[in-house]
Amino acid sequence: DTAVSQTPKYLVTQMGNDKSIKCEQNLGHDTMYWYKQDSKKFLKIMFSYNNKELIINETVPNRFSPKSPDKAHLNLHINSLELGDSAVYFCASSQVGESGLSYEQYFGPGTRLTVT
Amino acid sequence: GQNIDQPTEMTATEGAIVQINCTYQTSGFNGLFWYQQHAGEAPTFLSYNVLDGLEEKGRFSSFLSRSKGYSYLLLKELQMKDSASYLCAVRDSNYQLIWGAGTKLIIKP
Repeated sequence: DTAVSQTPKYLVTQMGNDKSIKCEQNLGHDTMYWYKQDSKKFLKIMFSYNNKELIINETVPNRFSPKSPDKAHLNLHINSLELGDSAVYFCASSQVGESGLSYEQYFGPGTRLTVT
Repeated sequence: GQNIDQPTEMTATEGAIVQINCTYQTSGFNGLFWYQQHAGEAPTFLSYNVLDGLEEKGRFSSFLSRSKGYSYLLLKELQMKDSASYLCAVRDSNYQLIWGAGTKLIIKP
């Protein structure tokens, strides 16, 4: 059974288009995340979200927006795609313990986005 | 600013032992994680340290010294499948994870 799934796995699109990446977790976790991993393999947090709070990395352009229809899903919508958006995008989830701290994160397989 | 330093790349021999270091300077500390990432795949969790000392899990061990802002991941009895990137991540005082750029480990026969 897949714990964290993302679709699509590959996405090739042109500059200026709007696209969405879907993420679902069947782990019953409280918190979900979106990461961007560029060609240098640096993993950059974009958003973290639980049913109470959305935390946005202030360096993320407002063309990126997370949408959560329910606790198990956190989709990423991107408007007006730019060449620099080309990267691998990972969704992840984690459980929050009684102390309020999150346990380890489980990552989806990633979506390789190529903007031409 | 917040910073996590790891060597960019390391090479080791199959069957040997390798130590991957991670030093951090963050606003507060609420735990340190190590993840493994094979090429083209997602990161997977390896270990977690929040108190000083050594955590052992099979062939992998992770050490933490909070006073020195230092951790290492120790891999024993290296296998070819251990060729991957190893990512160090620190949870800061705002409970946000700060990620290092990762260390690419190359295992040679």
